[in-house]
Amino acid sequence: NAGVTQTPKFQVLKTGQSMTLQCAQDMNHNSMYWYRQDPGMGLRLIYYSASEGTTDKGEVPNGYNVSRLNKREFSLRLESAAPSQTSVYFCASSLDKGGYNEQFFGPGTRLTVL
Amino acid sequence: GNSVTQMEGPVTLSEEAFLTINCTYTATGYPSLFWYVQYPGEGLQLLLKATKADDKGSNKGFEATYRKETTSFHLEKGSVQVSDSAVYFCALSDQTGANNLFFGTGTRLTVIP
Repeated sequence: NAGVTQTPKFQVLKTGQSMTLQCAQDMNHNSMYWYRQDPGMGLRLIYYSASEGTTDKGEVPNGYNVSRLNKREFSLRLESAAPSQTSVYFCASSLDKGGYNEQFFGPGTRLTVL
Repeated sequence: GNSVTQMEGPVTLSEEAFLTINCTYTATGYPSLFWYVQYPGEGLQLLLKATKADDKGSNKGFEATYRKETTSFHLEKGSVQVSDSAVYFCALSDQTGANNLFFGTGTRLTVIP
């Protein structure tokens, strides 16, 4: 089992460029999440998908879109990148919705927007 | 609202020293509480959890007790090792509404031989 995988590991964008961060899990989990991690801020939830076919906004959704492509895959898209989106992005999954379910995290994508 | 406050780091300890990382929370409802650990270059991993007041979570020698009266969930370990060097995150899930996780800012621990 690979667990949660993310691509790419590193990315540098110019302001205004677009890109999609990919995430996949092989644990047959129903729920998936996207977080960003900024210095001194901890992790903040961007979007989540409680189950296949559903997505909902988290704490900081502005500037992002998501797609739950199937049960395994959950992508995060930046349509027009801004320097404020420089961050480390983590994808996570859990068996079901609900914070008491352990979340499993991918290794992260470090994104720099110039 | 929901929030988690952790002690500021970084924390540097010698091997075999006693570790305490303080965590307090504010939440609606009756939250579940968690400690996650992030080793260098990796994603977060669940270290331990407690789902109701007075529960004690434990794993790998780490412990934390859910104290409702002081709204705290402090992480402790009696004797740290170099391999415990990592960033530790306290988190809560409030069990109401969206039921998502809210994280503290993280505390970086470095253990020196």
